[in-house]
Amino acid sequence: DTGVSQDPRHKITKRGQNVTFRCDPISEHNRLYWYRQTLGQGPEFLTYFQNEAQLEKSRLLSDRFSAERPKGSFSTLEIQRTEQGDSAMYLCASSFSAGRTAPGELFFGEGSRLTVL
Amino acid sequence: AQTVTQSQPEMSVQEAETVTLSCTYDTSESDYYLFWYKQPPSRQMILVIRQEAYKQQNATENRFSVNFQKAAKSFSLKISDSQLGDAAMYFCAYTRTNAGKSTFGDGTTLTVKP
Repeated sequence: DTGVSQDPRHKITKRGQNVTFRCDPISEHNRLYWYRQTLGQGPEFLTYFQNEAQLEKSRLLSDRFSAERPKGSFSTLEIQRTEQGDSAMYLCASSFSAGRTAPGELFFGEGSRLTVL
Repeated sequence: AQTVTQSQPEMSVQEAETVTLSCTYDTSESDYYLFWYKQPPSRQMILVIRQEAYKQQNATENRFSVNFQKAAKSFSLKISDSQLGDAAMYFCAYTRTNAGKSTFGDGTTLTVKP
């Protein structure tokens, strides 16, 4: 297994454009998470899935953000009408479900860096 | 809401010496897990060590060990025999049992001097 992979690694876009990020988790993992990390801060939780079900979504997440995991495998995170404040590193992580591993034991990808001009 | 605080934005250590990174957290829960993650420059974050709150014994993984003080809500990481490869940003994280969301601190940047 090659670990969690994210695509693209870097995205530069103009304000108002839509962007989509993709995450492929470790194949045996049924949980998938999205976090956002800005410079000098720790990762901030956005949402997570167990299989194809979105179980929790941060209240801080605006309606411009949407995530899907249609077949319980890869996931996409879409940001509509991007704003300069959306510039950040978007991290994907995966894990086994509770019971097979400690909750919070996450395997991260390398992240997708978004720059909004 | 749970919060995690890392009060040391930067730390440095001489190669082969020992360093301790601090972390405090706030929660009203009794069942939870605590973690230290390492994020090297331009590389993905990896798990260093974890601690179950119901275990009194401090976790140890080779050169990495923790000092878990549940009553004080403190969870520090000790790195012994520091190596150049230990240079990274270290994040403390909290996850409530039966939850999906993890809460991270803002990190401590560790520099290892040769």
